[in-house]
Amino acid sequence: DTGVSQNPRHKITKRGQNVTFRCDPISEHNRLYWYRQTLGQGPEFLTYFQNEAQLEKSRLLSDRFSAERPKGSFSTLEIQRTEQGDSAMYLCASSSDPGLGTEAFFGQGTRLTVV
Amino acid sequence: DQQVKQNSPSLSVQEGRISILNCDYTNSMFDYFLWYKKYPAEGPTFLISISSIKDKNEDGRFTVFLNKSAKHLSLHIVPSQPGDSAVYFCAADTGNQFYFGTGTSLTVIP
Repeated sequence: DTGVSQNPRHKITKRGQNVTFRCDPISEHNRLYWYRQTLGQGPEFLTYFQNEAQLEKSRLLSDRFSAERPKGSFSTLEIQRTEQGDSAMYLCASSSDPGLGTEAFFGQGTRLTVV
Repeated sequence: DQQVKQNSPSLSVQEGRISILNCDYTNSMFDYFLWYKKYPAEGPTFLISISSIKDKNEDGRFTVFLNKSAKHLSLHIVPSQPGDSAVYFCAADTGNQFYFGTGTSLTVIP
């Protein structure tokens, strides 16, 4: 297992277009997170899944954003009608167990640029 | 509101000396903290963690100190090496998500 994999690594899109990112977690990991990071900021929580169930969503996740994790394996994050403010690095992370103190492993991220 | 704060955006240290990175938090309910390290074009990687029942955790050259009464933690790296040059993020773990600070960019000068 090579770790958490995210595709694509970079995406440039025109404002108003829809984009979809994919995350493949470490295979035995039940927990999957999506974070967003903008320049000069730390990663900000968007949502997480426990297996296929989406258990928590941040208020940052507007109704233009939707995330899925069918069958509790890979996950997709879709942004509809992209805006320039959506330009950011989107990070996926996975961990083996819920609860405090479980290390999360991050992917390399998908850098989105909306022009 | 920023619940985890790293007030020093950058830090430069000579190779072989100690690097001290600081982090403050506002929520007294936070019970577990982690430090992540990030190189350019890579995702953050876990470095070291500490539970609130401890005030110190050590792993090789890396030591994290927690002062619960001050809501403050620090990461000490000694001796610092050029390969330690990266952005360091402090994070509080609630069990459901991590609250990250804004990061401190460490440069270790050879």
